[in-house]
Amino acid sequence: EVHLLQSGGGLEKPGGSLRLSCAASGFSFSTSAMNWFRQAPGRGLEWVAGFSGGGPTTFYADSVKGRFTISRDNSKNTFYLQMSSLRAEDAAVYYCAKSHFSGWRVFDYWGQGTLVTVSS
Amino acid sequence: DVQMTQSPSSLSASVGDRVTITCRASQDIGKFLNWYQQRPGKAPRLLIYGASTLEIGVPSRFSGGTSGTNFTLTISNLQPEDVAAYFCQQHLNLPLTFGGGTKVEIK
Repeated sequence: EVHLLQSGGGLEKPGGSLRLSCAASGFSFSTSAMNWFRQAPGRGLEWVAGFSGGGPTTFYADSVKGRFTISRDNSKNTFYLQMSSLRAEDAAVYYCAKSHFSGWRVFDYWGQGTLVTVSS
Repeated sequence: DVQMTQSPSSLSASVGDRVTITCRASQDIGKFLNWYQQRPGKAPRLLIYGASTLEIGVPSRFSGGTSGTNFTLTISNLQPEDVAAYFCQQHLNLPLTFGGGTKVEIK
């Protein structure tokens, strides 16, 4: 059974840094595309960044490019989102998601979400 | 960026009703459109991909349709467990973009 267990997050000041983790199990993590999304309170979903497959190719939303970095540790089956230069508008629940067999831009399993609060 | 305009933003219907949610894309996206359900306090769940293909395990009362740049999600025979927010997502182009969501409630 596929599981994505998220950790990290919490309260950070503007300009600060946080790292989110997403521990995966139940599928071939090393060959899978993985992505991060976020959802501000009461708002819709926003794609943040992702790997298009098991290789090194990454993509970022313009809103986070240059500030956020994604990475993966295949030995630990874990996917990361390193967030720096945090802004108030980065506050949201962040979700990791695994890509569907039909394509890397379709998402069939999601983590439970982790709240990031940015406030002084 | 491809803009996805979703309507209505909320609806209230009775158990057993048929409800339809619409997403309009700002440009031709073919069938690169997915629908997700998000129950309160939960992560999204994939319902439909490729505009009309039902994900495994999703009840057959959910269906997806398309006409040009307009996409529909229909729930026939609305059930109490369908109370949720529903989002469309285009995946033709990056950035991946979502509709604003539709909250479905039971009368």
